[in-house]
Amino acid sequence: QITVKEPGPTLVKPTQTLTLTCSFSGFSLTTRGVGVGWIRQPPGKALEWLALVYWNDDKRYGPSLKSRLTITKVTSYNQVVLTMTNMDPVDTGTYYCVRDVWAVAGTDYYYIDVWGKGTTVTVSS
Amino acid sequence: DIQMTQSPSSLSASVGDRVTITCRASQSIGRYLNWYQQKPGKAPTLLMYAASSLQSGVPSRVSGSGSGTDFTLTISSLQPEDFATYYCQQTYSTPRTFGGGTKVEIK
Repeated sequence: QITVKEPGPTLVKPTQTLTLTCSFSGFSLTTRGVGVGWIRQPPGKALEWLALVYWNDDKRYGPSLKSRLTITKVTSYNQVVLTMTNMDPVDTGTYYCVRDVWAVAGTDYYYIDVWGKGTTVTVSS
Repeated sequence: DIQMTQSPSSLSASVGDRVTITCRASQSIGRYLNWYQQKPGKAPTLLMYAASSLQSGVPSRVSGSGSGTDFTLTISSLQPEDFATYYCQQTYSTPRTFGGGTKVEIK
């Protein structure tokens, strides 16, 4: 069974750094065509794509947050770590870890086929 | 970034109705378009990929079409379990932006 899992709820203060570790099982992040990333959703709002790391360690970031984000894969532990610096109350929301894979092997078509349940991040002093 | 615009942002419909949701990209994205469904308090799930390919397990009353900049998601006969929010996502380039969502509510 393929799963991805975020940590429990997190409370951080403004200006602090958020660190989220996604733990996954049932697949390897060394397999061609596989990526693991993060998507967030403020309360009552739309999904926002944050960052993604591919099997070959290619890393992509949403440009609006790129200066604040770092994504790292820890292959030996089947984990992906997201850090976000200088947290602000507007960063409050649900953060999802996702698996992003080739829809058809060898093509450029990707989709998110596995989502974690999400974790609530609250930024408040 | 490629901007994705969905319309309408919400709609009210009855069980059995035919429902169409539109997604427009700010530039041509070929058929690099996915659709997801999200129910309250839950993570999204994949419905369609590559604009018109149905994900395994998704009922055939759901269909997708389009290419370039204009795409549609159609539910031919709305069922109670279809009341949810729907998001399109382009995968033509990163960041893989989402539309603003369409909430389908019970009339």
